[in-house]
Amino acid sequence: DADVTQTPRNRITKTGKRIMLECSQTKGHDRMYWYRQDPGLGLRLIYYSFDVKDINKGEISDGYSVSRQAQAKFSLSLESAIPNQTALYFCATSDFPGELFFGEGSRLTVL
Amino acid sequence: GESVGLHLPTLSVQEGDNSIINCAYSNSASDYFIWYKQESGKGPQFIIDIRSNMDKRQGQRVTVLLNKTVKHLSLQIAATQPGDSAVYFCAVLMNRDDKIIFGKGTRLHILP
Repeated sequence: DADVTQTPRNRITKTGKRIMLECSQTKGHDRMYWYRQDPGLGLRLIYYSFDVKDINKGEISDGYSVSRQAQAKFSLSLESAIPNQTALYFCATSDFPGELFFGEGSRLTVL
Repeated sequence: GESVGLHLPTLSVQEGDNSIINCAYSNSASDYFIWYKQESGKGPQFIIDIRSNMDKRQGQRVTVLLNKTVKHLSLQIAATQPGDSAVYFCAVLMNRDDKIIFGKGTRLHILP
């Protein structure tokens, strides 16, 4: 089993719909992250969390919200999806100051 | 604001030659730098890291060089192989708020 699991792996939705991307980890790490990847733009940080009571905005948090339900779970929500949120989303964990461990990604298409 | 930039979006290298991928950062207070490799259809994977108290660190076939004076980071891959074909990202830990910020990535093509 993967250390960092993202669901769903692929989702197609329509403008205005609410979408939740879920992430769970078995690494036992306190730190979890959500990144967005667009072609030519690299990975941009959306939100990050250092423990269940500590959530921080990243570079591009507008239009997104997160929930840290437990140490092992960190979900990303789009309350009202729009087409420019079409992207590949990655969840990652880390044990500061160590390396990030990424999931396999969730590809979201908003029509 | 803080930024992490990469000099070339694409790099083509002959198989067996050495590859050098460059990265620049803007925050002089950063003290931890990481290189990641992303193969097609997968999440990025850690390659090597370096702290600001070092200027060079070596791994298996990879070397990271850090020049804090000009805020420049490079990844050297020795004897490039077909399996090295991927997108390479540098990432920087921002001391102020512990965010990890990525550059835009360089796609490495290996020529036969």
